[in-house]
Order: sequence, then C-alpha cells, then structure tokens
Amino acid sequence: DAGVIQSPRHEVTEMGQEVTLRCKPISGHDYLFWYRQTMMRGLELLIYFNNNVPIDDSGMPEDRFSAKMPNASFSTLKIQPSEPRDSAVYFCATHTGTNYGYTFGSGTRLTVV
Amino acid sequence: AQSVTQLDSQVPVFEEAPVELRCNYSSSVSVYLFWYVQYPNQGLQLLLKYLSGSTLVKGINGFEAEFNKSQTSFHLRKPSVHISDTAEYFCAVSLNTGGFKTIFGAGTRLFVKA
Repeated sequence: DAGVIQSPRHEVTEMGQEVTLRCKPISGHDYLFWYRQTMMRGLELLIYFNNNVPIDDSGMPEDRFSAKMPNASFSTLKIQPSEPRDSAVYFCATHTGTNYGYTFGSGTRLTVV
Repeated sequence: AQSVTQLDSQVPVFEEAPVELRCNYSSSVSVYLFWYVQYPNQGLQLLLKYLSGSTLVKGINGFEAEFNKSQTSFHLRKPSVHISDTAEYFCAVSLNTGGFKTIFGAGTRLFVKA
C-alpha cells in the first residue's frame, strides 16, 4: 500500500485565491482527519470524517475553510479566499476503527503571499 | 477536556547517551496514549502506543514508554540514541471511545550531537 497520499506537496498562492488540498487515504481506513501544523499553534485538528461523513468540524477556523469526502478514496480541503495567516503545513491522516494510531500523509506546505 | 503537556521543548543529548522525553496528560476519562516522530519535511510516524495492559510499551527504533496512571505521565525513553534519532517527537492522547480524536502535545525537539 502506498500510504496516505497528499497533493500538492507545496503550494504558493496569492492572498484571495482559492486553494484546494487533496488527500487519498489508505484503502480500508474508515476514519480521515485533517490537521494543520504551525510553529505558533502546533498540530490542530480541523475536521474528521467517518465512512465519508463529517463527524466533527469544530476545529475549522472560519467559513473560508471547507472539507469534503465524496468517496472512500478521496478528500479535499478548500480555502476560499486564502489569507497569509493560512500559511501552514496541512496533514491528512487516517486510521481504521480497530487499529489505533494514525497514518499520516507527507503534508502540503501552503504559503499564502 | 483532554490536554497534553510536553515538558521540554528541546532536548540536546550526545550520541550513545540515554534520553527521556517527558509527557504529562490530563483527562477525566480513560485515554489511549501515543508517541509520534516527525523527521524534517515529513508527516508524523507512529512510534508506539498504550491502549491497555502492561504499562511498559516498546516501539520502533528502540524506543519505549511507560504509562504511569497515578502521575498521569507517559515518558518516552531510549537507552542509547543515534544521530539519526534527531527529530521532533510528539506525545498524543485519544479518547478510547468512538471517534478517536487525538490531541497532540507541542512537541519536543531531540537533537543528538556527535
């Protein structure tokens, strides 16, 4: 298995633009999590899904952020419009309901200028 | 609510020396405990986990951790570190109920010197 695959690895965009981050989870992992990592705030849980259904989005900072999981093999995190303070590394992580412990993707480093 | 405190932001240590990275947690319910490692420009990788049973847990790369319920601690140890162990280490806690939301500590930067 190739693990959790995120794309792109790096994204540089101008303030006000729409940004879409993508995640392909491990097959059979029915939980998917989106985290954001910054120096100031560490790792923050943004939202998580179970069997493609959003369960808890209380960590999504603003309405500018949205996440979807249209099927078991794909999820997106969208920021519209983007702002410089959104600059961070965004991670997708998955696990099964019985194999505790996450498998993380390599992350997307987002820079908003 | 759960919280995780990693008591040291940075730990410098010489190669082949022992190391302990400290972690305390706070929770009113039972939790699962984890340690993850993050190498530069990579995602986090699971080192070890405590779910139940023996309080001494062994993980990958020669690391181990001990769960101490009375002190609400889960310290990570390695008897002899290598240069390649230089990385960021995260302690994490997860409720042992459905959902498995995980809260991460702020991280400890382990720097192994030759």
